[in-house]
Amino acid sequence: EDQVTQSPEALRLQEGESSSLNCSYTVSGLRGLFWYRQDPGKGPEFLFTLYSAGEEKEKERLKATLTKKESFLHITAPKPEDSATYLCAVKYNFNKFYFGSGTKLNVKP
Amino acid sequence: NAGVTQTPKFQVLKTGQSMTLQCAQDMNHNSMYWYRQDPGMGLRLIYYSASEGTTDKGEVPNGYNVSRLNKREFSLRLESAAPSQTSVYFCASSQLGLAGHNEQFFGPGTRLTVL
Repeated sequence: EDQVTQSPEALRLQEGESSSLNCSYTVSGLRGLFWYRQDPGKGPEFLFTLYSAGEEKEKERLKATLTKKESFLHITAPKPEDSATYLCAVKYNFNKFYFGSGTKLNVKP
Repeated sequence: NAGVTQTPKFQVLKTGQSMTLQCAQDMNHNSMYWYRQDPGMGLRLIYYSASEGTTDKGEVPNGYNVSRLNKREFSLRLESAAPSQTSVYFCASSQLGLAGHNEQFFGPGTRLTVL
């Protein structure tokens, strides 16, 4: 069964404490893996797209990596404004996406 | 450039009532989507429209209908609302790229409660 699983469900970090979020998938015929950030009461906002194993993308304190089975979102020296829910999504055919349930990140000052 | 807009922002319905959620995008995107988001379950695809004039079912289409009115607008209709349809509904759009459809742009959501 096609599935996207994110871990941990929630993560609390101190400001400056680096960590990683995981997105594992069992979807066949991957056509792209997407990371989104969602703030409370708002729609998801696009961060990265990864298409092939070994690919990496960076944006400010965030770095996304992709293997054949999972993706990691590394957060380096996070700040309180990085607090949000991070969603990953897998595109499994031309028009369809599976979303994970997200990791809720809380960065304390 | 407003991106993706949704109306209404909040709605309370009684069981059996009907309503239509409206969505519009001004980015000239081909594809549009309707998702629902429930606690602990992530976003689930209800319906999508690859292009004007076409619609297809997603993971959870039962109890919903959609209309792609034109390239800009994609509406979601609940004919007879049920408490199980209490959720946050997001509309999204995307544009065809070299590797197929690329990232989706989301609206702010409609928070629906069915009593």
